[in-house]
Amino acid sequence: QMQLQESGPGLVKPSETLSLTCTVSGGSISSQHWSWIRQPPGKGLEWIGYIYNSGNTKYNTKYNPSLKSRITISGDMSKNQLSLKLSSVTAADTAVYYCARESGVVVPAAPVGYFDYWGQGTLVTVSS
Amino acid sequence: SYELTQPPSVSVSPGQTARITCSGDALPKHYGYWYQQKPGQAPVVVIYKDIERPSGIPERFSGSSSGTTVTLTISGVQAEDEADYYCQSADNSGPYVVFGGGTKLTVL
Repeated sequence: QMQLQESGPGLVKPSETLSLTCTVSGGSISSQHWSWIRQPPGKGLEWIGYIYNSGNTKYNTKYNPSLKSRITISGDMSKNQLSLKLSSVTAADTAVYYCARESGVVVPAAPVGYFDYWGQGTLVTVSS
Repeated sequence: SYELTQPPSVSVSPGQTARITCSGDALPKHYGYWYQQKPGQAPVVVIYKDIERPSGIPERFSGSSSGTTVTLTISGVQAEDEADYYCQSADNSGPYVVFGGGTKLTVL
């Protein structure tokens, strides 16, 4: 059974960089898309971006245009981990951050799939 | 930016049928997906590719699509179905993943 586990600091100061890691077990990040998704307290889901293996150890990324200037998502195949860095954070970035696997992507018929495995989520609070 | 529109809330009595709609201009071109989220838990996919139901999801959950609207139908609603429901699809530009704003289903 595939499991995803997010880890990282629960408190980040304004203007600093939020850094999270997602460790995948029971599956490999060498195939399919792997996303970060967040949910501010009491609000809806927001897709942040994804990585996918484009061959060998190289990863391609796609980011939410509204966050693109502040995001870096990377992958480490040797550790089966994906990471998220979000720079210049403000209180508006306070949220539960999830990593998730995206399935059902078929280019070009279904370029966006659905998220069938999720981590439990980790709350990150931005506060001084 | 592109949006998927859901009603904020739907209320039904146990045993009745709940229908939750999701509207978006790009839905005729892209599949719709539905998630159930209970408090303190990660979302769970209940419908994928407009109408498909994952294994383990009760048969009372079904999906449909017509034009710019996809619909999640829960027949014979049970108390355990009370949750937030989110639709998800893609826009036409990236395409990028887009979520609807969510619908709170209340079982009276």
